[in-house]
Amino acid sequence: DAGITQSPRYKITETGRQVTLMCHQTWSHSYMFWYRQDLGHGLRLIYYSAAADITDKGEVPDGYVVSRSKTENFPLTLESATRSQTSVYFCASSENRLQETQYFGPGTRLLVL
Amino acid sequence: LAKTTQPISMDSYEGQEVNITCSHNNIATNDYITWYQQFPSQGPRFIIQGYKTKVTNEVASLFIPADRKSSTLSLPRVSLSDTAVYYCLVAPPAGYGGSQGNLIFGKGTKLSVKP
Repeated sequence: DAGITQSPRYKITETGRQVTLMCHQTWSHSYMFWYRQDLGHGLRLIYYSAAADITDKGEVPDGYVVSRSKTENFPLTLESATRSQTSVYFCASSENRLQETQYFGPGTRLLVL
Repeated sequence: LAKTTQPISMDSYEGQEVNITCSHNNIATNDYITWYQQFPSQGPRFIIQGYKTKVTNEVASLFIPADRKSSTLSLPRVSLSDTAVYYCLVAPPAGYGGSQGNLIFGKGTKLSVKP
């Protein structure tokens, strides 16, 4: 089906482990984004990508790594998970520009024990 | 950075008009203002976007004063299904390499619509 998907939808891991969250979109949108959502903080941008092989930091990038080798995929890696990274993670995409409508995925709930 | 401020919560009754205001004192000349709606366990979805004055679509209106330091989302005749969290976003135009963290969502306004 066309759209933007995230996997896994739910993940439990332990402190210190590496975790990769996947994001896939079928629209060939240029821009892709990763946000985290926490109570009291709303949505905060972690990283975004303007095109394949082009990424940039957002508001809260520390502890995260991204890559974008293909236009349709934008994985987010927590290299050594910490409890403070327990959150709901949303991936989004927009067609051509930062200010254009963003289409969000369903989210991944991550619990770090 | 254009930090945004919204009320944490609002209550309304079915059939009323609801106005949610977002303050963005440091908005840049080329920034656009976008509002999103989020239901529990779902990702946000686009409602409306504007640059100045007034924009209207089939679900909402967006009012932006001349100084653009705030914006007001207006939902006419709300129903129970409008109960959600509403976010405003101030975003620059296309920019790579120079807009770190410039995509700033507000913390959201939780709207509760009662029968």
